[in-house]
Amino acid sequence: DQQVKQNSPSLSVQEGRISILNCDYTNSMFDYFLWYKKYPAEGPTFLISISSIKDKNEDGRFTVFLNKSAKHLSLHIVPSQPGDSAVYFCAAIGAGGTSYGKLTFGQGTILTVHP
Amino acid sequence: DADVTQTPRNRITKTGKRIMLECSQTKGHDRMYWYRQDPGLGLRLIYYSFDVKDINKGEISDGYSVSRQAQAKFSLSLESAIPNQTALYFCATSESEMGQTYNEQFFGPGTRLTVL
Repeated sequence: DQQVKQNSPSLSVQEGRISILNCDYTNSMFDYFLWYKKYPAEGPTFLISISSIKDKNEDGRFTVFLNKSAKHLSLHIVPSQPGDSAVYFCAAIGAGGTSYGKLTFGQGTILTVHP
Repeated sequence: DADVTQTPRNRITKTGKRIMLECSQTKGHDRMYWYRQDPGLGLRLIYYSFDVKDINKGEISDGYSVSRQAQAKFSLSLESAIPNQTALYFCATSESEMGQTYNEQFFGPGTRLTVL
């Protein structure tokens, strides 16, 4: 039972264009959402997050959008750079129940940005 | 120096062998976690510990055990390794803060384990 889903295993974009990575979730107890970035041979690193009380959070080139009614979030990278090439994981955490205090990850999306 | 270290970084072992993966942190965090990453499945939580005296099972704890030797050390053991435990294993840490649902998790570099 995959509670956080990233249905696109990979995404390829041209340098300078927008990258849009999508994530869907099923657990209505999730109230905080995060994106992690992972390079080969390294652990994941935190990128950006959003609370369920917001619908948008922006940090430089990275913006995360949350649509609670659709249980969907997306990460926009504008403009994309070759150094953004990595695996991106969507993750969620709950305010209570079995999801409290624990991250639930999606499967990951491999982003490749071509020069 | 890395804040979260894992040893070994790579390990190849045989079915039935006992394996221990170690994690140490210098961040002073109370909370520690063990995850495994498999292709197409993302990261899944194996065990977590919110302080030295607290150990909890995660999503996929069967076949694994853990030991929290100190605030800074959290070890994962495979008592009798099997091939489907071949995966990339990550340790992570986070602060604990009263009333805070989430504090950022910091990950180690991972251990690649192969069970033949």
